[in-house]
Amino acid sequence: EAQVTQNPRYLITVTGKKLTVTCSQNMNHEYMSWYRQDPGLGLRQIYYSMNVEVTDKGDVPEGYKVSRKEKRNFPLILESPSPNQTSLYFCASCKGLAATDTQYFGPGTRLTVL
Amino acid sequence: DAKTTQPNSMESNEEEPVHLPCNHSTISGTDYIHWYRQLPSQGPEYVIHGLTSNVNNRMASLAIAEDRKSSTLILHRATLRDAAVYYCILRDLGKTSGSRLTFGEGTQLTVNP
Repeated sequence: EAQVTQNPRYLITVTGKKLTVTCSQNMNHEYMSWYRQDPGLGLRQIYYSMNVEVTDKGDVPEGYKVSRKEKRNFPLILESPSPNQTSLYFCASCKGLAATDTQYFGPGTRLTVL
Repeated sequence: DAKTTQPNSMESNEEEPVHLPCNHSTISGTDYIHWYRQLPSQGPEYVIHGLTSNVNNRMASLAIAEDRKSSTLILHRATLRDAAVYYCILRDLGKTSGSRLTFGEGTQLTVNP
């Protein structure tokens, strides 16, 4: 089954404790990205990657890092989480960059930073 | 990016058709119209997309106005499972922009049994 998986699904942590949210897709997609969703602000893109070793900033990259060492994986790293990073996070993948390509989203990771 | 405008909420009864409108008066000739939906506690999922002609798939139909300044997502027989936030999004054929999807607030669809 074609899917995007994220782990963990729920995470409660404390300020400053480094964490990684993993994302994996099994569709051999070139393009992957991370979004965060906050009430009243909708979904905003954090980082994206157009291929292995190619990443770039989205609209709200501050406080986040990503890496793309393998095509299927695109982890989101919070080196020193802060309470304003409490949010619902979604990973997405897409075959390419054409306007007709559809994006597949993971189930989400709900992060709380105390 | 061209902007879309959708009603904040709509209500329907189960097994009745639902027409979800979207206005995009500043759409460019190369913008595709995409619809995604987000079910409660899930990630967004693709519904349908089109450029000029009306489109049908197993989930829905997309009716695009002749001047392309508006479109309507049609669910032919709403079920309780269709209760979700529906997003109308424009994607420009000529731009990559990191393939970012710009989500607005969408329309919250409530389906009554």
